[in-house]
Amino acid sequence: KQEVTQIPAALSVPEGENLVLNCSFTDSAIYNLQWFRQDPGKGLTSLLLIQSSQREQTSGRLNASLDKSSGRSTLYIAASQPGDSATYLCAVKGSSYKLIFGSGTRLLVRP
Amino acid sequence: GAGVSQSPRYKVAKRGQDVALRCDPISGHVSLFWYQQALGQGPEFLTYFQNEAQLDKSGLPSDRFFAERPEGSVSTLKIQRTQQEDSAVYLCASSLESGSYEQYFGPGTRLTVT
Repeated sequence: KQEVTQIPAALSVPEGENLVLNCSFTDSAIYNLQWFRQDPGKGLTSLLLIQSSQREQTSGRLNASLDKSSGRSTLYIAASQPGDSATYLCAVKGSSYKLIFGSGTRLLVRP
Repeated sequence: GAGVSQSPRYKVAKRGQDVALRCDPISGHVSLFWYQQALGQGPEFLTYFQNEAQLDKSGLPSDRFFAERPEGSVSTLKIQRTQQEDSAVYLCASSLESGSYEQYFGPGTRLTVT
């Protein structure tokens, strides 16, 4: 059974810092991995989608990497801003169609 | 274009009441998913439709939960005789197809059972 773990559960950093969020999964047979952002009381906004054949994806200040063999993904946020404060969720899609989510990392970027 | 929409955004129900939650997927999206998100947790899969066919309902927590998508577009998640443990955010997502396609999420319906 696929399990997804995100570390740390919470993170507080000063504005301008570069930071890394970690996601690990137990079954390497995945189709893809998605990183989402969730603001309080809101739905999920997709940030990056990495197909199983890819190693990384970039969008603006965000970079996500995928190492299937070790069951790990990282989300790198460069030059963090207070507007980046949110919960970041990692989700994997295996041979079925459903997404399996981690519990998320709550990020606070202090001005 | 329009994204996934859900209504109502908030619902307060007394224990024992029935509720119906609506999802309007992105036009043309074949696949539709329902997830349940408890406070402080990641979403958990409830059920999956491909067009009007419900192909997987293994995540539905009990037989009080029922979902339908009769015309392959709008979907309704119904919860009968609500219990306090049903309080959660219910998220709907759609994708062009299943497989490796990206899932797009709606804003969710926050259900509070008192």
